[in-house]
Amino acid sequence: AQSVSQHNHHVILSEAASLELGCNYSYGGTVNLFWYVQYPGQHLQLLLKYFSGDPLVKGIKGFEAEFIKSKFSFNLRKPSVQWSDTAEYFCAVNAIDSSNFGNEKLTFGTGTRLTIIP
Amino acid sequence: EAQVTQNPRYLITVTGKKLTVTCSQNMNHEYMSWYRQDPGLGLRQIYYSMNVEVTDKGDVPEGYKVSRKEKRNFPLILESPSPNQTSLYFCASSDRFRTSGRNNEQFFGPGTRLTVL
Repeated sequence: AQSVSQHNHHVILSEAASLELGCNYSYGGTVNLFWYVQYPGQHLQLLLKYFSGDPLVKGIKGFEAEFIKSKFSFNLRKPSVQWSDTAEYFCAVNAIDSSNFGNEKLTFGTGTRLTIIP
Repeated sequence: EAQVTQNPRYLITVTGKKLTVTCSQNMNHEYMSWYRQDPGLGLRQIYYSMNVEVTDKGDVPEGYKVSRKEKRNFPLILESPSPNQTSLYFCASSDRFRTSGRNNEQFFGPGTRLTVL
């Protein structure tokens, strides 16, 4: 079964700092990859996704992520964070697996809480 | 507006009192799923449904039931809630990647915060 690791549990940055949140997954086959954001008291919103093609994907609000297949990683980046980026960030993986046919299940990491100091 | 709705948004109940959390989507998605979110554990899948009358267990199905009588609705039923089911619940829906080849981005509802005393 696949698993997802987000090693940074809580990250604190000042405004304008650069951000990189780590995400590693364990699955040897084909995957679809996602980053979701959850602002305080709100539901999950999709930041960006990777299905195939260019491994560098751009999402909303200036976020981007790079899929490195050899490292099983899908790290999230933003060159300059804002106070409004304070939220919890979840990496998720959908394993394309014939034994799991039909279940579009997302396996989530435990999340990274990001706090931006003005 | 394309959306997933859940009701109620907040619920406080007592042990053993049956409850249902409703979920509805207006995107004609075949696939629907329930997750629970707990601190330090991320989101874990409870049940999922590939289409009407087709449901199956996820990773943490104990204590829950679901039904899928209509494509748009996927209620979550707790027959006899217990305090360990206190959690934040999310319903999600998507197209099915394997049958459509289309984008299977999951759309999430606003969440239901359940407290079982």
